[in-house]
Amino acid sequence: NAGVTQTPKFQVLKTGQSMTLQCAQDMNHNSMYWYRQDPGMGLRLIYYSASEGTTDKGEVPNGYNVSRLNKREFSLRLESAAPSQTSVYFCASSWDFNEKLFFGSGTQLSVL
Amino acid sequence: GNSVTQMEGPVTLSEEAFLTINCTYTATGYPSLFWYVQYPGEGLQLLLKATKADDKGSNKGFEATYRKETTSFHLEKGSVQVSDSAVYFCALRTNTGNQFYFGTGTSLTVIP
Repeated sequence: NAGVTQTPKFQVLKTGQSMTLQCAQDMNHNSMYWYRQDPGMGLRLIYYSASEGTTDKGEVPNGYNVSRLNKREFSLRLESAAPSQTSVYFCASSWDFNEKLFFGSGTQLSVL
Repeated sequence: GNSVTQMEGPVTLSEEAFLTINCTYTATGYPSLFWYVQYPGEGLQLLLKATKADDKGSNKGFEATYRKETTSFHLEKGSVQVSDSAVYFCALRTNTGNQFYFGTGTSLTVIP
């Protein structure tokens, strides 16, 4: 049982480059989320999808876009990466909106 | 507003020592409280929760009691093991807006 799978695990970008972080869950969960984790700060919600076909902004959405491709997959895109986006990114999912969260193992992103 | 404050880490303990990780919160309404744990190389996973005042959550020898009068949810374990080495996150979920708020995480290392 894979749970929540994120790719890649590590990525280094140059300022201005774009990339997409992929997330997939195999638990038939309705809701999916993207968080970022920065030193000295708790996890902060970037975007979420309460159900298939919907997406909404979280606390820190600027500079990001998301796509809920289907019930399983929820991707996060950085169109023009900035050093301020250097962070660890976590994808999570849950049966219903903000019920018990299941997390992926994270993507460590560095923007130079 | 809503927020979670955790004790600063890192925390280093010898095996079989007593563990306390402090967590206090600020919230409107009546939140649910959670402890999540992140083992090395893995995503966060739910350790325990409490949904109302005076509830005690427990799992794997860890306990935390929801104290409304002191707005606290301190994590305790009577005798830690090397396998408890991880990062521990305190979190709350509001009952209005239904959003999660995470603390900064406390790193625990248990040495033999």
